[in-house]
Amino acid sequence: DQQVKQNSPSLSVQEGRISILNCDYTNSMFDYFLWYKKYPAEGPTFLISISSIKDKNEDGRFTVFLNKSAKHLSLHIVPSQPGDSAVYFCAASALGETSGSRLTFGEGTQLTVNP
Amino acid sequence: EPEVTQTPSHQVTQMGQEVILRCVPISNHLYFYWYRQILGQKVEFLVSFYNNEISEKSEIFDDQFSVERPDGSNFTLKIRSTKLEDSAMYFCASSGGFQPQHFGDGTRLSIL
Repeated sequence: DQQVKQNSPSLSVQEGRISILNCDYTNSMFDYFLWYKKYPAEGPTFLISISSIKDKNEDGRFTVFLNKSAKHLSLHIVPSQPGDSAVYFCAASALGETSGSRLTFGEGTQLTVNP
Repeated sequence: EPEVTQTPSHQVTQMGQEVILRCVPISNHLYFYWYRQILGQKVEFLVSFYNNEISEKSEIFDDQFSVERPDGSNFTLKIRSTKLEDSAMYFCASSGGFQPQHFGDGTRLSIL
């Protein structure tokens, strides 16, 4: 299942700098996108989302950008902190925000923020 | 903050045995889900459940799998006759009819 793809398995950044995590999708039916963070031995924790009617959503240090024509989204973390070190999953859903439809996940990107 | 709880955290079972994984979703949520993650692979959707019936299932969710909401709080996943390839981390999730889905910490299922 290659519908959602995160091409970078890992990313290392310095504390205080920007982290940019990327995600590509192929299914045109996807219209709602989410980012989850996962620490070892824990479940995915919801971070931020964006609907396809927007191209940007911001929540504190986290901003998600959506480029529908390129079928690409990215998560920006500014400034990065050591506690942000985790695996970040991109996920996509069809049928919008107001439904119980399945999430399709990417492979995940391991972010390491060095002090 | 309300959370999804899963028990047990680790289940070891002999191949061919039945296993039941348990979840307590967030109390006012309406949609319930099971996902799994085989080691080194993506998180995969198994099934969603709404209004006491399956609303969607993946091709993975064959006749060996079943889900149930036996009372007002629990949501279970049963695997009737486990196979080696069922070894995975199983995540339960719930949502209030709106995304996002909130996940539990998972049950690690090991089939011997």
